Amino acid sequence: QVQLVQSGAEVKKPGSSVKVSCKASGGTFSSYTISWVRQAPGQGLEWMGRIIPILGIANYAQKFQGRVTITADKSTSTAYMELSSLRSEDTAVYYCASAPFVEMATISWFDPWGQGTLVTVSS
Amino acid sequence: QSALTQPASVSGSPGQSITISCTGTSSDVGGYNYVSWYQQHPGKAPKLMIYDVSNRPSGVSNRFSGSKSGNTASLTISGLQAEDEADYYCSSYTSSSTLLYVFGTGTKVTVL
Repeated sequence: QVQLVQSGAEVKKPGSSVKVSCKASGGTFSSYTISWVRQAPGQGLEWMGRIIPILGIANYAQKFQGRVTITADKSTSTAYMELSSLRSEDTAVYYCASAPFVEMATISWFDPWGQGTLVTVSS
Repeated sequence: QSALTQPASVSGSPGQSITISCTGTSSDVGGYNYVSWYQQHPGKAPKLMIYDVSNRPSGVSNRFSGSKSGNTASLTISGLQAEDEADYYCSSYTSSSTLLYVFGTGTKVTVL
């Protein structure tokens, strides 16, 4: 089964950008979709968007549209999530999570998850 | 699109059964059999416990079961054990134009 390993914690200034990586191993990268989910301190989970690497298609939650970019590098089996115009409310743990990609089917679960990356936005 | 509604907390004694509800709308929980449940221990990543309403992934204890009626999905934990103490989140596919998946508000399960 695929395993996901994320990049390390980041501290950013308000107004800057952050790019978090998620490297997959143990599976065929193109057989999966990668979603990004964030969790603010003491809060619940929030879906931000996903990418289908084999198609190069990304979908975003409207809340983050224009601020988030999700990409994938098939050559290194790595997905990226870049969030711009950071504000204090973006302080959270950001998770990547995979799901099997099955054409013409809806796969609605996330398994497995990366270990999470803490992004702290502070002046 | 609002988060799915879960009770903030549920508790039970070891050996008992508890049920966590997850209420949405006909655009998400009620409209599709695409509800999943996740267990999250403090400081850890979520773990998939149930997918497509009632299916258990390999390796998940059969003490965990899922169901759905109308716009409300439920997760039942039978034979409650100390290690079940964690936060639980439901999730559903949604036909909303603003996002693809929506999570629940989360439920803290306490083993008394």
